[in-house]
Amino acid sequence: SQQGEEDPQALSIQEGENATMNCSYKTSINNLQWYRQNSGRGLVHLILIRSNEREKHSGRLRVTLDTSKKSSSLLITASRAADTASYFCATDANAGGTSYGKLTFGQGTILTVHP
Amino acid sequence: DAGITQSPRHKVTETGTPVTLRCHQTENHRYMYWYRQDPGHGLRLIHYSYGVKDTDKGEVSDGYSVSRSKTEDFLLTLESATSSQTSVYFCAISEWGQGASGYTFGSGTRLTVV
Repeated sequence: SQQGEEDPQALSIQEGENATMNCSYKTSINNLQWYRQNSGRGLVHLILIRSNEREKHSGRLRVTLDTSKKSSSLLITASRAADTASYFCATDANAGGTSYGKLTFGQGTILTVHP
Repeated sequence: DAGITQSPRHKVTETGTPVTLRCHQTENHRYMYWYRQDPGHGLRLIHYSYGVKDTDKGEVSDGYSVSRSKTEDFLLTLESATSSQTSVYFCAISEWGQGASGYTFGSGTRLTVV
């Protein structure tokens, strides 16, 4: 079963605008991660936020985590055409045992940034 | 991607034949994972390894087996390929437990079963 659900499924914006993607999950987590996938390529790790953190920044990326609502958001500021990709959230579940870092991925948001 | 390679990159095989995909890493990471990616399903975990000869099943392990005889190699075998196993397969490595870092993914293997 999918741990993460992402919203929207697709997002189309103009260069310079901000892009916000949301992720909801079902169980308690150790951390939540965001990945980017360019067409035909492997996934690239963007940022990791631990369950005891509420916000994290990396360059133009801002991630928030609300464990009470079991949700996270990824904000990309001042988008560029090169940001066009699919974005996935993934959760390292805290299910009472050892997760060994197993991640459960959402279905992703397809972001298109028009020049 | 740096430090992790998958082979082959593309493969077409016939139904009923065994197929082995290889993941090789040069990062000396303890943890390795095999995922498949299908439209509408995102990425789903097939098998994972937490050390040499230590492996376990993931969400969609039926029809697949794995082996890890040394740190750098993690093999995924489709015992008797079926059309439902047509997919893109990704290997990933991590240093989970050593500061909670993310995965590094390989470039993927596109497998078509005809």
